[in-house]
This record gives sequence, C-alpha cells and structure tokens, in this order.
Amino acid sequence: TQLLEQSPQFLSIQEGENLTVYCNSSSVFSSLQWYRQEPGEGPVLLVTVVTGGEVKKLKRLTFQFGDARKDSSLHITAAQPGDTGLYLCAGASAGNMLTFGGGTRLMVKP
Amino acid sequence: GAVVSQHPSRVICKSGTSVKIECRSLDFQATTMFWYRQFPKQSLMLMATSNEGSKATYEQGVEKDKFLINHASLTLSTLTVTSAHPEDSSFYICSARLSINSPLHFGNGTRLTVT
Repeated sequence: TQLLEQSPQFLSIQEGENLTVYCNSSSVFSSLQWYRQEPGEGPVLLVTVVTGGEVKKLKRLTFQFGDARKDSSLHITAAQPGDTGLYLCAGASAGNMLTFGGGTRLMVKP
Repeated sequence: GAVVSQHPSRVICKSGTSVKIECRSLDFQATTMFWYRQFPKQSLMLMATSNEGSKATYEQGVEKDKFLINHASLTLSTLTVTSAHPEDSSFYICSARLSINSPLHFGNGTRLTVT
C-alpha cells in the first residue's frame, strides 16, 4: 500500500501570510495531483505534475514535484480568505490509481 | 469541461433502510468510476473501483454486501447502502474517467445521514 503523508494537517493564518503544504511518500508516483475541496462539495483539480523537479504556477500558488517523484509541495503566497479550504494531494501509480494524502485544512483569517 | 453529476446531494434515512446514490458522467463515457467515503475533516478513502459491465473491486475492509455497486452503463454507476446504520453516515463522493490515462472528474458528493 502506498502512503502519502501530508503536512500540516491544519493551518490557520492571517491574510497576506505565506504558507507551504508538504506531501511526502517513500513510493515513486507517475504523477501527482493537488486538489482543493470546499465543504459539501467534491474535490476540484488544481494541477497535475508529472516530471521530477517540475514546478508549476497557478497565480499565487506554486506547485513543485520532487526530483525523485516521491514528494511534492504547494506554496501559497499572500494568502487570501478565498484560499480557505481542504487541500489534498494525490499520487498516481499503476493503472493511474490515485492515493490521497490526509489533507491540509487551511483557514485564512481576514 | 467534463462534468460528473451525483444525486442526491443530501439524504436522510432511517436506520435499517437502504439508500441509492447515483453518479452520472454527463458529457463523456466513463469506463471506470470510483466511490469514496469522507468523514468530517478527513481525506477521501477509496471504497471501490467500478468498471462498466463487470463486478466492482472493493478495497480491504469495505463490505461488498453492504455497499452494492452497479455500473451497468458507460454513464451511470450507483452505490446502494443497504440496511443503513448511523455509523454509515458520511460524505460519499464518486469520480469518473474516460480511460486509464484520462483525468479524474469528481462529483459534488452526497451527504448521508442515518437516524
């Protein structure tokens, strides 16, 4: 069973602060996806990283895939209240099966 | 973009009754659909993988006789929670994909409350 350790589990910050969420595993993934989920809704895909060392930016969000394709990070610059939500990483393995991390619940206070 | 519709969004049922949740791919044919369960403030837990026309593959610890999955067409999969109990109360989410290398599209989930 492949495991994805996501940290921190919970993060409460003030508007304007920066933050980083980490996703780590001892397993290699063919790709890694980041999702954001709001209460009562399904997860929404933010980004997919495929190549080791790859960096992708989505406005104030920066996603990085580790060189060995075992870990990833999500960095948010100047967080806003609208960034509040549950962030999930998910690694894809054989058969494109996804393994989800435990999630990071982010709260950005105005 | 691809849309997955899940119905109902919320359901309340009495203990001992059965509840059916539908997952539909609206604009693509989903060869594979996945069912997840999510407890409050926790991540998604895969319950089963459903391939059109064949029996679902259940994850370890998930009772196949309690959580009946049917994937009779390329656009519809159903999850039936049989003889529901309060501990079955949870947020159930489905996802679907066109093929093995296609991205996953998630439904908006179903909040089940068993009283």
